Amino acid sequence: EVQLVESGEDLVQPGGSLTLSCLASGFAFSTYTMSWVRQAPGKGLEWISSISSSSTSISYADSVKGRFTVSRDNGKNSLFLHMNNLRAEDTAIYYCARDYHGTRSFYFDSWGQGALVTVSS
Amino acid sequence: QSVLTQPPSVSGAPGQRVTISCTGSSSNIGTGYDVHWYQQPLGTAPKLLIYGNSNRPSGVPDRFSGSKSGTSASLAITGLQAEDEADYYCQSYDSSLSGSVFGGGTKLTVL
Repeated sequence: EVQLVESGEDLVQPGGSLTLSCLASGFAFSTYTMSWVRQAPGKGLEWISSISSSSTSISYADSVKGRFTVSRDNGKNSLFLHMNNLRAEDTAIYYCARDYHGTRSFYFDSWGQGALVTVSS
Repeated sequence: QSVLTQPPSVSGAPGQRVTISCTGSSSNIGTGYDVHWYQQPLGTAPKLLIYGNSNRPSGVPDRFSGSKSGTSASLAITGLQAEDEADYYCQSYDSSLSGSVFGGGTKLTVL
């Protein structure tokens, strides 16, 4: 069974930093592209970052580019999201998700339970 | 403002059929990228419901179906049940943004 478990949720002051982790199990983590998707309170889903299986291809949404960094450790089946210069609008539940990448088909076939990041003074 | 446009809400009585639309543009759905749908009951993580426009993952009832035409896609739910009450999101890939994009979500209420 595929399992994705996020950790690192916290309350952070504006301008602060935080790192989220996602521990994967039940599948060959090192062969999958992984992503982070967030959901602000009462709002919809927003893709924010993806990282390929070997970390050679990384992409970010414009809303977090330059402030967030995604990384992974395939030896530890772990995905990370390093968040700097946090803003109030970054307050959200952050989901770790496993990607399916086809020729013209990109979707998220498994999701973690989410980690709440609150940015407030 | 979401890149993909969905109605904010739909409703139906038990046993009825409802559809949820998802409208994109020439940089996403219209350029041939597949559309996928997710179901998110209140307080839970999203779950893949339909992938590749019309395919159901194992375990998803055949009451759920998807279709795509031009720059739009639709999710249909037949034989509505109380457990179908949830938020539904469409998703595709956008070549201009070089990333995945979601619809704003549609809240389904079972009357």
